[in-house]
Amino acid sequence: ETGVTQTPRHLVMGMTNKKSLKCEQHLGHNAMYWYKQSAKKPLELMFVYNFKEQTENNSVPSRFSPECPNSSHLFLHLHTLQPEDSALYLCASSSGTGFNNTQYFGPGTRLTVL
Amino acid sequence: SQQGEEDPQALSIQEGENATMNCSYKTSINNLQWYRQNSGRGLVHLILIRSNEREKHSGRLRVTLDTSKKSSSLLITASRAADTASYFCATDAGNQGGKLIFGQGTELSVKP
Repeated sequence: ETGVTQTPRHLVMGMTNKKSLKCEQHLGHNAMYWYKQSAKKPLELMFVYNFKEQTENNSVPSRFSPECPNSSHLFLHLHTLQPEDSALYLCASSSGTGFNNTQYFGPGTRLTVL
Repeated sequence: SQQGEEDPQALSIQEGENATMNCSYKTSINNLQWYRQNSGRGLVHLILIRSNEREKHSGRLRVTLDTSKKSSSLLITASRAADTASYFCATDAGNQGGKLIFGQGTELSVKP
């Protein structure tokens, strides 16, 4: 257990559905991240939040909408996704800036878009 | 552009042998980290080496960093079947709010 939980672990959705991914960290960290991991591709950073403020949006399509209500929770709202959005979505947290910014990852949500 | 690039992309060895994975990067860094990922799971942090360090050990892991060549290596000694996983290097440029750039990873298979 890394102290970062993600739900659901698996999600199958149609292109017209709306769903949300949830991430929660119990580590007292100030920074949270969403990554997308597709087969045979490096981890793609999607969004970064520091102290609940979005500090990075890596040119992510608007069909992905993040929400960070507090430093412990991070959501990724999904709507009208495409089949190519099928991937493993990973959440991570860290203490934020500084010399030791080790990231702690959740187990991921395996998303399949039909 | 890709910051960390691992080499080789895949490595298959027998239990008991040593495994060496390499990582190259392009820009100056604050620190470099290695992570492990079991199939379909989240990444787990293994070790962090700072830009002013040259070598670091943790159990059966040994990491080296050569900032002049912008490269790092991860050595796993006396490998076990349980070491089978993907290994990623990640670099922190130090001025990007804790952001890490991950490489494509090395897929290690340790056969019993």
